[in-house]
Amino acid sequence: EPEVTQTPSHQVTQMGQEVILRCVPISNHLYFYWYRQILGQKVEFLVSFYNNEISEKSEIFDDQFSVERPDGSNFTLKIRSTKLEDSAMYFCASSRGTLEAFFGQGTRLTVV
Amino acid sequence: GEDVEQSLFLSVREGDSSVINCTYTDSSSTYLYWYKQEPGAGLQLLTYIFSNMDMKQDQRLTVLLNKKDKHLSLRIADTQTGDSAIYFCAGGATNKLIFGTGTLLAVQP
Repeated sequence: EPEVTQTPSHQVTQMGQEVILRCVPISNHLYFYWYRQILGQKVEFLVSFYNNEISEKSEIFDDQFSVERPDGSNFTLKIRSTKLEDSAMYFCASSRGTLEAFFGQGTRLTVV
Repeated sequence: GEDVEQSLFLSVREGDSSVINCTYTDSSSTYLYWYKQEPGAGLQLLTYIFSNMDMKQDQRLTVLLNKKDKHLSLRIADTQTGDSAIYFCAGGATNKLIFGTGTLLAVQP
């Protein structure tokens, strides 16, 4: 069964460093998303991406964040200068249309 | 703003039915979803219901929607130990999903 894959599963980085979280969405999907879940809190929407541009983003998704689809298969989330409060589980998701988003297993980001 | 609330914990015995409840505030949510998260795993889409439906059944899963009360429930029949997980309800009218807090379902053998 096709699935969304994310790498790495765990990333530790120093405060102020840039990180890139990688995702390979399901191959025939057209919509791509990033969500995050801070420990003990709700899963929060960050951004959606369609047709090579951001279609919607939340207040969390400020100038420190960017997304890119550098080739036909990868979808990345970059955090330019990480802060302690960026520590969270980051989930990538994809969907063929606007329904049925399928999620990856997540990348746990720890900022120290 | 939009909000989705769930009870935090539910404990049932193996073989019993489980009912996980969810309330939401955004009446513009077109679709309402149930996701399952097992330890160390991602969010697995279980089922969803369109906002103009009252009920949807999918094998052991039954989703009930009371649009007037903005109440959604997930019933799992004949609950098994493998059903132990966190269950999230989520709603949205666009690509952006609003998630609940998640309900931890513990199934006792």
